[in-house]
Amino acid sequence: GIQVEQSPPDLILQEGANSTLRCNFSDSVNNLQWFHQNPWGQLINLFYIPSGTKQNGRLSATTVATERYSLLYISSSQTTDSGVYFCAAQPYGGSQGNLIFGKGTKLSVKP
Amino acid sequence: NAGVTQTPKFQVLKTGQSMTLQCAQDMNHEYMSWYRQDPGMGLRLIHYSVGAGITDQGEVPNGYNVSRSTTEDFPLRLLSAAPSQTSVYFCASRGGSTYEQYFGPGTRLTVT
Repeated sequence: GIQVEQSPPDLILQEGANSTLRCNFSDSVNNLQWFHQNPWGQLINLFYIPSGTKQNGRLSATTVATERYSLLYISSSQTTDSGVYFCAAQPYGGSQGNLIFGKGTKLSVKP
Repeated sequence: NAGVTQTPKFQVLKTGQSMTLQCAQDMNHEYMSWYRQDPGMGLRLIHYSVGAGITDQGEVPNGYNVSRSTTEDFPLRLLSAAPSQTSVYFCASRGGSTYEQYFGPGTRLTVT
């Protein structure tokens, strides 16, 4: 089955710094999403981005489907950005609703 | 809309006991899924459903049963709890016209 790998596994930033999180996937996908899990455990959908670029405030994401990777950019980080960021993918031909998750990047933003 | 709701929030079971984790959504979503989250493992798919009456296995289905009698509800049953099922369980749903998944708040289960 499809493999989803995220890097780095851990990231510590000073408030105000920028960061890039990477997600590599081993097969063609028709669904690629980024999620943020806050310190209280709630999972929030950030982007649905099987290809192209999207921006939402200080966050943006780019997926290059032909090269099988996606990037999540966080600019001017804030302490509230702390948590774990997950990338999840559904391969072409995969069953609907069947997302395969990476192991996540744990982000800690220090004041 | 309440979105995706899960009950209970916390549960402690003894080995061999059975229980049902409840999941409901009020968004009329076709697709619903159950995931478990273990430290350092990300989320792994247990079972999913593409509509009422239709379910299928995910990555780690052993020891769990599901059914989908209505669009709104998707309960997860543990038949005979084992310590290896200690985990946080998340239910998710999405509509047919969008790929965005919405997650419930999770159920933290401990099996002793």
